[in-house]
Amino acid sequence: IAGITQAPTSQILAAGRRMTLRCTQDMRHNAMYWYRQDLGLGLRLIHYSNTAGTTGKGEVPDGYSVSRANTDDFPLTLASAVPSQTSVYFCASRTSVGSHTQYFGPGTRLTVL
Amino acid sequence: DQQVKQNSPSLSVQEGRISILNCDYTNSMFDYFLWYKKYPAEGPTFLISISSIKDKNEDGRFTVFLNKSAKHLSLHIVPSQPGDSAVYFCAADPGGSYIPTFGRGTSLIVHP
Repeated sequence: IAGITQAPTSQILAAGRRMTLRCTQDMRHNAMYWYRQDLGLGLRLIHYSNTAGTTGKGEVPDGYSVSRANTDDFPLTLASAVPSQTSVYFCASRTSVGSHTQYFGPGTRLTVL
Repeated sequence: DQQVKQNSPSLSVQEGRISILNCDYTNSMFDYFLWYKKYPAEGPTFLISISSIKDKNEDGRFTVFLNKSAKHLSLHIVPSQPGDSAVYFCAADPGGSYIPTFGRGTSLIVHP
């Protein structure tokens, strides 16, 4: 069982380019989340999805979009990357109602130049 | 405005001693609290949690204490080991939403 996988592991991107970060889980968890981690700022929620077909905005959603076509996949898209989106991005999932524990992927390190 | 605060960015402890990591929160709607541990170049992993109906939860070397009146929780690691060196994040969940707010983390270094 892989848990949560993220791709790519790292990426250098020119400003203005479009980029999709991929996240896949094989645990059949209903809820999924995208966070960014920046030095000194901890983990900040970008978008979340409580179940397939639904999404919601987190603390820092601007410049990002997500979709949840099925249970397993939760891609994060930067439509036009800017240098302030340079960060480490973590995808997480959580099982059904009643559990608070999140399971995190290994992260994607994104650098926007 | 931070709703979950970890005021110590770093903590250095000698192996075998107790490590105490602190976390304060402002939102009285938070009713479930979690600690995550993160090693470099890895994703955070769940460590221990506590519900607001309890004031203590223990799991091996790790104990979390909750003081609701002070809106304060702490993570105790006894005895500390070099492998405990990591960044520790405190997270708080408001009732029913399951969308936690994370603190900024405390980097723990346990030296031999």
